Amino acid sequence: SAVISQKPSRDICQRGTSLTIQCQVDSQVTMMFWYRQQPGQSLTLIATANQGSEATYESGFVIDKFPISRPNLTFSTLTVSNMSPEDSSIYLCSVGVLGYEQYFGPGTRLTVT
Amino acid sequence: TQLLEQSPQFLSIQEGENLTVYCNSSSVFSSLQWYRQEPGEGPVLLVTVVTGGEVKKLKRLTFQFGDARKDSSLHITAAQPGDTGLYLCAGARHSNYQLIWGAGTKLIIKP
Repeated sequence: SAVISQKPSRDICQRGTSLTIQCQVDSQVTMMFWYRQQPGQSLTLIATANQGSEATYESGFVIDKFPISRPNLTFSTLTVSNMSPEDSSIYLCSVGVLGYEQYFGPGTRLTVT
Repeated sequence: TQLLEQSPQFLSIQEGENLTVYCNSSSVFSSLQWYRQEPGEGPVLLVTVVTGGEVKKLKRLTFQFGDARKDSSLHITAAQPGDTGLYLCAGARHSNYQLIWGAGTKLIIKP
């Protein structure tokens, strides 16, 4: 398993601004994933971030809106740019361990006003 | 598009009752995982089933993978208030390391 921390845990931001979410893992992992989740609902994959390569974005998500950095095997950031109220959500990072199993951070609850 | 249909989406029952959550697909998965998520936290992996027909038990929770590896079920016996949470199933494919997620089951166990 892996222990994952995220910062910030929550934030309230004004529309038009940007927020960078940090994800720190206690061990080196190759695969990291960023998800978005509405409370009580399922997960939507934003992108896969593997160290040493560009992030791979899912349909409906673009790099200009959600730039991702992956500078090393224990850290990644997701930026939500030019925010609108529709970006209000929970953002989760996860890591892939032992093949397909994923371990999640506690999430960042974002509210855009 | 490979879908994983999860049902029911919401379930509220009394403490001590039994319940079953289902995940079904028309596609074959190499493995299937079940997660539980509590408010303010990320999903936590409960179990991974890999072999068709496999049954795994975790205390009062029983997980089964269908013979054809297209479906799975989670059965909870004598549910407790501590079982309350969002249960998510997720299927894995050989082609990449991404997971296909079910819609989730919001479970409330009333004392």
